[in-house]
Order: sequence, then structure tokens, then C-alpha cells
Amino acid sequence: EVQLVESGGGLVQPGRSMKLSCAASGFTFSNYGMAWVRQAPTKGLEWVATISYDGSSTYYRDSVKGRFTISRDNAKSTLYLQMNSLRSEDTATYYCTRGSYWGQGVMVTVSS
Amino acid sequence: DVVLTQTPPTLSATIGQSVSISCRSSQSLLHSNGNTYLHWLLQRPGQSPQLLIYLVSRLESGVPNRFSGSGSGTDFTLKISGVEAEDLGVYYCVQGTHALTFGSGTKLEIK
Repeated sequence: EVQLVESGGGLVQPGRSMKLSCAASGFTFSNYGMAWVRQAPTKGLEWVATISYDGSSTYYRDSVKGRFTISRDNAKSTLYLQMNSLRSEDTATYYCTRGSYWGQGVMVTVSS
Repeated sequence: DVVLTQTPPTLSATIGQSVSISCRSSQSLLHSNGNTYLHWLLQRPGQSPQLLIYLVSRLESGVPNRFSGSGSGTDFTLKISGVEAEDLGVYYCVQGTHALTFGSGTKLEIK
């Protein structure tokens, strides 16, 4: 059974950093590109970043470029999102997704 | 950036009624490799999104065949032939031809 389990969320002050993890199981992680998608409270879905199957290519939405870094460890079947210089508008539930599979999401709240 | 415009924003249906949701793209979603990366998701209340339809019209495994997708280029439609109570939630179209963009969502309510 495919599972994607996010962790690392919580409350963080503006300007600080946070790192999200997504542990994958039930499929060959190293064969798939992965993405982070977020959803602000009561809002729609918003793509954040994508990484290729081998980590050689990464893509970001403009509003997080230079602040967020997507990465992966194929040996550990884990996806990461390093978030720096966090802003209140980054407050959202963050989902790890393989497209056809989604994690349960992890909440990130940026507030003083 | 590609913009996906979904209509209607809300939809109210009775059980058994057939409904359609439109998704229009600001650019053609036909990729140079011949695929059209337009998919449909359903997010039930309090849950993560789930994939219903991929590549315009292909039904994801385990999804009931009352769901169908059609379209090409910039105009796409999701149809539910005979709404059931479990279909309530927010439907999103999403394109992966030009980076990744989501539509604004269509909330399906059951009368």
C-alpha cells in the first residue's frame, strides 16, 4: 500500500525556518518525481515545488523561490521541504504528493 | 503562468442527477510529447485530495465509472453521471503541462 506521511509542521515565528519531511513507502520512491502542494485555511490548492525522480531538477513557484528548497533522499525514501524566511502567507497545510497519491498533510502556522 | 478557470464555483445536485464541471485553460495543455496533462481531483471535507481522472479522460484505479473526463486543448469537462452522496466535496482541475497549476475549485453540495 502506498503511503506518504508528512511531518515537521507546527507554529513558527515570521522570518524563522522549518523543515518538512515526507516518508514514502509502498512504491519505488526513486522512480518518481514528487511535489509539495499547500492549502491555506479555507482556500484552494497551490503548487509549491517539484523535484525530479533523481533530484537533478527542481522547480518552484515564484513566491517561494530563494526561500524554500525541495530535496530528496532516495536511500531513505524521504522527501523534504526546507522553508526559510517564513512569512504569514506561508501558513497552510502542506501536502506531499506523487500525483496519484497524497499524504495526509501537515499544518504550518507562521505567526508571532 | 497558466490560469485554470473552473465553473461553476458551486454546484448543488440531487442524488442521481448528472452534473458537469468546466475547466478552461489560458494556454493549450497539449504537451510537445503528445500528452495533455490535465487531471481532476476530489477533496472530500477534512480529507486530502484524491485523483479521479488523469490525462483528460483516464479513470484512476478504484474510481467509480460514473466519473468521466473529456476535452482537449484549452477546454475540459468533468462529468458525474448520477451523483451519489459520497461525491460531495471540492473538485479541482490541475494541469501539469506547464509547471503545475490548480483550478480554483468547484464545491459540490448534495440537496
